[in-house]
Amino acid sequence: GAGVSQSPSNKVTEKGKDVELRCDPISGHTALYWYRQSLGQGLEFLIYFQGNSAPDKSGLPSDRFSAERTGGSVSTLTIQRTQQEDSAVYLCASSLAGQRVSYNEQFFGPGTRLTVL
Amino acid sequence: AQSVTQPDIHITVSEGASLELRCNYSYGATPYLFWYVQSPGQGLQLLLKYFSGDTLVQGIKGFEAEFKRSQSSFNLRKPSVHWSDAAEYFCAVGGVGYGKLTFGQGTILTVHP
Repeated sequence: GAGVSQSPSNKVTEKGKDVELRCDPISGHTALYWYRQSLGQGLEFLIYFQGNSAPDKSGLPSDRFSAERTGGSVSTLTIQRTQQEDSAVYLCASSLAGQRVSYNEQFFGPGTRLTVL
Repeated sequence: AQSVTQPDIHITVSEGASLELRCNYSYGATPYLFWYVQSPGQGLQLLLKYFSGDTLVQGIKGFEAEFKRSQSSFNLRKPSVHWSDAAEYFCAVGGVGYGKLTFGQGTILTVHP
């Protein structure tokens, strides 16, 4: 079946603009994660969804960052008033369920490369 | 807090040579350990994982890793490297719970013909 898809694949924006990044998880996957990959910070966890709720938002770097998930499926990561330090690759991953007692593999999408000029 | 250290930022090997990528972790309980590979412009692909049991785990593409609790290490190995193995490799740790992964900084592998 189809894997995790993300759009757009590349996004160039001007400092101060808002951007929305989209993630379509694998069908049936209830858990969804956002990570950020940047040169200075490596791969960092941003936020975790179980269904439509986000029990862990601890990785969001500032209040300019927000995310939502609707219908237990598609998720959107929104960055308001973008800054140059927001430039990074934003990766989305999904898994069958939150790993309460066992582990379910996270499948990663190809990422969205965000460049803030 | 959990953390992962990959001491080698960049490794260069000749095709056909053996490979070992180092990974050290810090985790307060029994860790789940992973190695991912990322080719240029691609997402992360899981190579192998360790949850419990046999400390030597086999993965895809001929890779293996050994969990050593006493050394807090989970090094990745391959006996004979192919040019197509050139990529960036990430070690990660997670745990029981919702499975948030903490990644190392990555090791870039270059393979010379």
